Amino acid sequence: DTAVSQTPKYLVTQMGNDKSIKCEQNLGHDTMYWYKQDSKKFLKIMFSYNNKELIINETVPNRFSPKSPDKAHLNLHINSLELGDSAVYFCASSQGSNYGYTFGSGTRLTVV
Amino acid sequence: AQTVTQSQPEMSVQEAETVTLSCTYDTSENNYYLFWYKQPPSRQMILVIRQEAYKQQNATENRFSVNFQKAAKSFSLKISDSQLGDTAMYFCAFSTFSGAGSYQLTFGKGTKLSVIP
Repeated sequence: DTAVSQTPKYLVTQMGNDKSIKCEQNLGHDTMYWYKQDSKKFLKIMFSYNNKELIINETVPNRFSPKSPDKAHLNLHINSLELGDSAVYFCASSQGSNYGYTFGSGTRLTVV
Repeated sequence: AQTVTQSQPEMSVQEAETVTLSCTYDTSENNYYLFWYKQPPSRQMILVIRQEAYKQQNATENRFSVNFQKAAKSFSLKISDSQLGDTAMYFCAFSTFSGAGSYQLTFGKGTKLSVIP
């Protein structure tokens, strides 16, 4: 039973389209995150939610909008996709700082 | 702002040998947590080992151990008896409290480790 699951695993789409990535965790964690890993493998936080409340909102374009319907789900919607949005997007969850994050398997987004 | 520096973009090691990956960080906080994550070609991010800053004893997990030097802000990872399955990107990460139960992990740029048969 997957702890943090993301769908889809791969997403290829054209510039200008709107797409969503879904994330669900069954660990009972209160906090969920979105990270972006660029082509050089650098990981940077985008958003975090604690029990449906937005906590961290890093400097990302307004085209990115997270939504958390409940504490087990955190989705990422991206409008008007651009070539530079191509990356791997990771969802993660945590409960306190002691144990780090549990990551999903990532979504490789390719914008053509 | 917290920063994490991994000065070795790539390393290689012979199977069964020992290798050490370096990590330094910068913070003004006194209590924090440090982590090493492994990312194999499968892309999955896997927690390897963690260290609590207020504990002087270095963490150990089977073949993986750390050398934590708090004053020097250094957190290196030692892999003993390297195995082919250890081939991966290794990320050092630092955890900071961001409010309301949210902890931000700041990652280094990673070290690509290749284990050679």
